[in-house]
Amino acid sequence: DAGVTQSPTHLIKTRGQQVTLRCSPKSGHDTVSWYQQALGQGPQFIFQYYEEEERQRGNFPDRFSGHQFPNYSSELNVNALLLGDSALYLCASSYTGTSGYNEQFFGPGTRLTVL
Amino acid sequence: AQKVTQAQTEISVVEKEDVTLDCVYETRDTTYYLFWYKQPPSGELVFLIRRNSFDEQNEISGRYSWNFQKSTSSFNFTITASQVVDSAVYFCALSLNSGYSTLTFGKGTMLLVSP
Repeated sequence: DAGVTQSPTHLIKTRGQQVTLRCSPKSGHDTVSWYQQALGQGPQFIFQYYEEEERQRGNFPDRFSGHQFPNYSSELNVNALLLGDSALYLCASSYTGTSGYNEQFFGPGTRLTVL
Repeated sequence: AQKVTQAQTEISVVEKEDVTLDCVYETRDTTYYLFWYKQPPSGELVFLIRRNSFDEQNEISGRYSWNFQKSTSSFNFTITASQVVDSAVYFCALSLNSGYSTLTFGKGTMLLVSP
């Protein structure tokens, strides 16, 4: 059973460009969350997708957008890249249960460098 | 809003020493979950433990132990007889019982264990 997968592993872009990162959730999971981890910082929640809709969002500008497909995989798009967008982007998948905590499974991340 | 503070940025110990990583959290909710994750240089987050706010029992797993004290809003992590393989960044995190299960992370503590 494959865990959470992310692509690409590494990416280099220049300021002003746009980037798309991809995440495939663990089998049986229907929810995908994205986190940004800047160097020397803890991961910060960007947004969460469930039933193909964004249902929760952290404190990130509209340049960050996403999508969830019918097969539950997800994309994170960042427009007009800034140097400060350089970070490790982590995807976490889970199954939205009826109550309590829905365990998050993290992928290996995509390291984005903006030059 | 919730917050997690890891005051120790970096800790250096010699192999076989015991080390405690501190974590203090803030939340107004009465039901919440606390976590510790390990992040080795590869970048992938490794789940270590989850505790819910109603279970203050300390837990031990091999060389790892956790001390949860609601009175001081702390959830500290101790590694006994540290090993070089324990070198990593450790994150404490908090999740509310909201159904979304998103995580709020601290900034992490880098642990360096030298031989």
